[in-house]
Amino acid sequence: KQEVTQIPAALSVPEGENLVLNCSFTDSAIYNLQWFRQDPGKGLTSLLLIQSSQREQTSGRLNASLDKSSGRSTLYIAASQPGDSATYLCAVMAGTYKYIFGTGTRLKVLA
Amino acid sequence: DAGVIQSPRHEVTEMGQEVTLRCKPISGHDYLFWYRQTMMRGLELLIYFNNNVPIDDSGMPEDRFSAKMPNASFSTLKIQPSEPRDSAVYFCASEGRGGQRFGSGTRLTVV
Repeated sequence: KQEVTQIPAALSVPEGENLVLNCSFTDSAIYNLQWFRQDPGKGLTSLLLIQSSQREQTSGRLNASLDKSSGRSTLYIAASQPGDSATYLCAVMAGTYKYIFGTGTRLKVLA
Repeated sequence: DAGVIQSPRHEVTEMGQEVTLRCKPISGHDYLFWYRQTMMRGLELLIYFNNNVPIDDSGMPEDRFSAKMPNASFSTLKIQPSEPRDSAVYFCASEGRGGQRFGSGTRLTVV
């Protein structure tokens, strides 16, 4: 059974820092991995989608990497800003469009 | 596009009542997903549809829960009878190229 874990559960950093969020999954047979952002009381916003054949994806200050063999993905946020404060979730598609979500990392960027 | 549209945004109901949550997916998206989010269990997939056909409902917790998708632009999730433990935020998402897009959710409170 696929399990997705995110570490740390919460993170507080000063503005301007570069930071890394981690996501690990137990079964390497995935179709893709997606990173989402969730603001309090809101839905999820897709940030980056990495297909299983890809190693990384970039969008602005965000870079996500995927290492299927080790069951890991990282989300790198450069030059963090207070507006980046949110909960970040990763989700793996473990076949037949079944997405398994991690428990999330709650990020707070201090001004 | 207008995104995934869910209604109502908030629902408060008494135990034993029937609750119907509604979702309008993004036009052209072939997949539609219903999720439930709670503090204890995180984000859980309840059921998903492909071209209006239910594909996997293994996440539906009990027979009290049912979902339909009568056409490509509308889906419902029904709980009958509702119980206090059903209190959660229910999300609908649809998928096309580029990953899943989520609605803003329905916050359900059963008292």
